[in-house]
Amino acid sequence: DAKTTQPPSMDCAEGRAANLPCNHSTISGNEYVYWYRQIHSQGPQYIIHGLKNNETNEMASLIITEDRKSSTLILPHATLRDTAVYYCIVSSGGSNYKLTFGKGTLLTVNP
Amino acid sequence: DAGVIQSPRHEVTEMGQEVTLRCKPISGHNSLFWYRQTMMRGLELLIYFNNNVPIDDSGMPEDRFSAKMPNASFSTLKIQPSEPRDSAVYFCASSPFGTNEKLFFGSGTQLSVL
Repeated sequence: DAKTTQPPSMDCAEGRAANLPCNHSTISGNEYVYWYRQIHSQGPQYIIHGLKNNETNEMASLIITEDRKSSTLILPHATLRDTAVYYCIVSSGGSNYKLTFGKGTLLTVNP
Repeated sequence: DAGVIQSPRHEVTEMGQEVTLRCKPISGHNSLFWYRQTMMRGLELLIYFNNNVPIDDSGMPEDRFSAKMPNASFSTLKIQPSEPRDSAVYFCASSPFGTNEKLFFGSGTQLSVL
């Protein structure tokens, strides 16, 4: 599986956009980019995933570069409740595949 | 939908005792996963099942750990005998048919082995 690299921590002001980067330079053509987050003392929560097109849902937007070697998760209007560890995961998918979580980025949203 | 339900939320036991963690996946999901999280090692996949059948147990640390899924609505993770280094948060997750990437996690069981 392709390895991902994320900054260990980031800060963001409440109400501003939070842009979380992820590098996955060895990603292969059939691998998706998945984002999860884990709020303190809770289980991880699925946010969004994409292959090569940008994706948006009610939680966030995912921007994947044209060469697919990096991506950015965007929380358009961060709130204090968005403070969490955000995990970027690359996966080839399918029913017999397992997700491997790295260390992620601790996003702290400040008032 | 109640989501993935784990019990107990907290378990404190003494070294050498048997520990059983329980999980009820979301109805209709056909894959179930057991993860363990510690500060040192992060989130580790222990074992996962597809259609109640264990697919990959390579993450199970040793023979003291065992997991079963007798039916589509119930799974257990057992540690016998427990050791202090087993102290961690244990998460259960389930996913819908056809994808193992969109996981729905339970609230976890905080295990402390004294």
